[in-house]
Amino acid sequence: KAGVTQTPRYLIKTRGQQVTLSCSPISGHRSVSWYQQTPGQGLQFLFEYFSETQRNKGNFPGRFSGRQFSNSRSEMNVSTLELGDSALYLCASSSGTGIDTQYFGPGTRLTVL
Amino acid sequence: KQEVTQIPAALSVPEGENLVLNCSFTDSAIYNLQWFRQDPGKGLTSLLLIQSSQREQTSGRLNASLDKSSGRSTLYIAASQPGDSATYLCAADSGNTPLVFGKGTRLSVIA
Repeated sequence: KAGVTQTPRYLIKTRGQQVTLSCSPISGHRSVSWYQQTPGQGLQFLFEYFSETQRNKGNFPGRFSGRQFSNSRSEMNVSTLELGDSALYLCASSSGTGIDTQYFGPGTRLTVL
Repeated sequence: KQEVTQIPAALSVPEGENLVLNCSFTDSAIYNLQWFRQDPGKGLTSLLLIQSSQREQTSGRLNASLDKSSGRSTLYIAASQPGDSATYLCAADSGNTPLVFGKGTRLSVIA
């Protein structure tokens, strides 16, 4: 079974630009969660999508948004990038029902200059 | 609001030593507790998941325990190896809410 894939793996942007990151979950998984990881704050939850609907949302500004498609693939978008958005962005997939392990992708390393 | 703390933040041990990593959480109403491993610049790999009704889980040289009443979990690594060097994170799952992660313990096993 193929694991969670994220594209691109690395990204360099400048302040004010926007960026879209993609996540393909494990086949059959309907839940995709996004996390931001920084050295200072650790892993922080951004949002979760289940069957194309946002089920949970973390405490991030509206510049961070996401969506999920009918095939469960998910994208997150960050508009008007700030230096502080530099981070490793991880997505995780799970069945979304019951007690279930989350499976993480390798992450997208975003650097904002 | 659930908070997860991991102590110590970093640990260095000689190869072959047995070691324990600690995780504490503030809200005992959890569904399960997960331990993950993260290698530098990489994603997370799930090591063990302990359901709230369980006391411990074992996988190879790893054993994780859960004590909901005291809000604690431990990850025991037997006969540590240099390949065990990584950051270990625990995360509390309270049902249909997001995982809450600790900041991790960075482990170095010296050959």
